Amino acid sequence: LAKTTQPISMDSYEGQEVNITCSHNNIATNDYITWYQQFPSQGPRFIIQGYKTKVTNEVASLFIPADRKSSTLSLPRVSLSDTAVYYCLVGDHLTYSSASKIIFGSGTRLSIRP
Amino acid sequence: KAGVTQTPRYLIKTRGQQVTLSCSPISGHRSVSWYQQTPGQGLQFLFEYFSETQRNKGNFPGRFSGRQFSNSRSEMNVSTLELGDSALYLCASSSGTGGSGGYTFGSGTRLTVV
Repeated sequence: LAKTTQPISMDSYEGQEVNITCSHNNIATNDYITWYQQFPSQGPRFIIQGYKTKVTNEVASLFIPADRKSSTLSLPRVSLSDTAVYYCLVGDHLTYSSASKIIFGSGTRLSIRP
Repeated sequence: KAGVTQTPRYLIKTRGQQVTLSCSPISGHRSVSWYQQTPGQGLQFLFEYFSETQRNKGNFPGRFSGRQFSNSRSEMNVSTLELGDSALYLCASSSGTGGSGGYTFGSGTRLTVV
């Protein structure tokens, strides 16, 4: 399972765009990248997933460079409610089929200020 | 469609007692996995059930056990509670076949052992 590295914490202000970068130097050919969001006292929630280039949904965008050794989660115009912990996960189809192989690291604690 | 439901939401128990937590997965999902989350250790995998069979187990003592019923609902039991068992216990359901995102978490049960 490819190891990921994320900043421990980030601060930003309402209305700003926030970019959280995850490093995964050992990503394998069949791996894809998934981001989860977790609010206090709740379970993680799936945000976005991608394999290469750019993926966008109603919540966020995910940018993946050609070498795929890193990825950037972009949150447009954040609000106070985006204050949460964000986890970056990397794995292949088999990884995601077995909960025992899904490892949530420490994540990035994002704090949004007024 | 209804999400993952965990009951109870909060629980206070005394050392030495035992506790049973319940999880109802998303309709149609056959895999249920359990995690323990503490500030110091983060999210740690407990075990995973698929079609009533335990598929994987994490590194937890035998005091932690679980089961899954034919309707995919799952329970986890902790016997002889210790202070260190105080944590947020999360349940996640999935189709069990991998794929995008895959895991939907419940809001968890906050267990406090006094």
